[in-house]
Amino acid sequence: GENVEQHPSTLSVQEGDSAVIKCTYSDSASNYFPWYKQELGKGPQLIIDIRSNVGEKKDQRIAVTLNKTAKHFSLHITETQPEDSAVYFCAATSAWSSASKIIFGSGTRLSIRP
Amino acid sequence: SQTIHQWPATLVQPVGSPLSLECTVEGTSNPNLYWYRQAAGRGLQLLFYSVGIGQISSEVPQNLSASRPQDRQFILSSKKLLLSDSGFYLCAWSPTGTGTTGSQYFGPGTRLLVL
Repeated sequence: GENVEQHPSTLSVQEGDSAVIKCTYSDSASNYFPWYKQELGKGPQLIIDIRSNVGEKKDQRIAVTLNKTAKHFSLHITETQPEDSAVYFCAATSAWSSASKIIFGSGTRLSIRP
Repeated sequence: SQTIHQWPATLVQPVGSPLSLECTVEGTSNPNLYWYRQAAGRGLQLLFYSVGIGQISSEVPQNLSASRPQDRQFILSSKKLLLSDSGFYLCAWSPTGTGTTGSQYFGPGTRLLVL
């Protein structure tokens, strides 16, 4: 079945540096790739997403890239700040699916060192 | 705008007791609804999803059940809780209709501790 692998599982970066989280997916029918940020004790929040007809999307300090051929997609956070500390989940789904079942990666715990 | 509510926020229950967690969505019609469980420090496990009133699909066999008595209400239940049912329970919704992307939006979660 569909599988999404996410790396690394933990990531620690100096404040102001960049952070990169990488994911791979297995189902070539996947065409929508959201990223979620989960702060401690809260539900995951959608922070950015990308569709398969786009190679890159940027929103202020965060950007996502997608390589459909290689089935890779990545989250890039630049100029990291303490409030970026959280667990990040990548996900993949086929938007045509009636139930929109999303396959999530296992998560990356990002820590920003002051 | 759409909002999703879950209650209670936290719950401590003895083993063998019943469970009822509720989720409601406002500001949308005919959403897809989902229940996830998240063990401490772990990923998201899909438990149930629903594409309409009375329509429930189960993803994993367990002693939990789900019901959707109204369009925007989703309930997670158990007749007898197990220790292994402890975790963080998340409800989510996704819009339906043409042009939707498949994105899901999560509620604040219910933290359940079974003792």
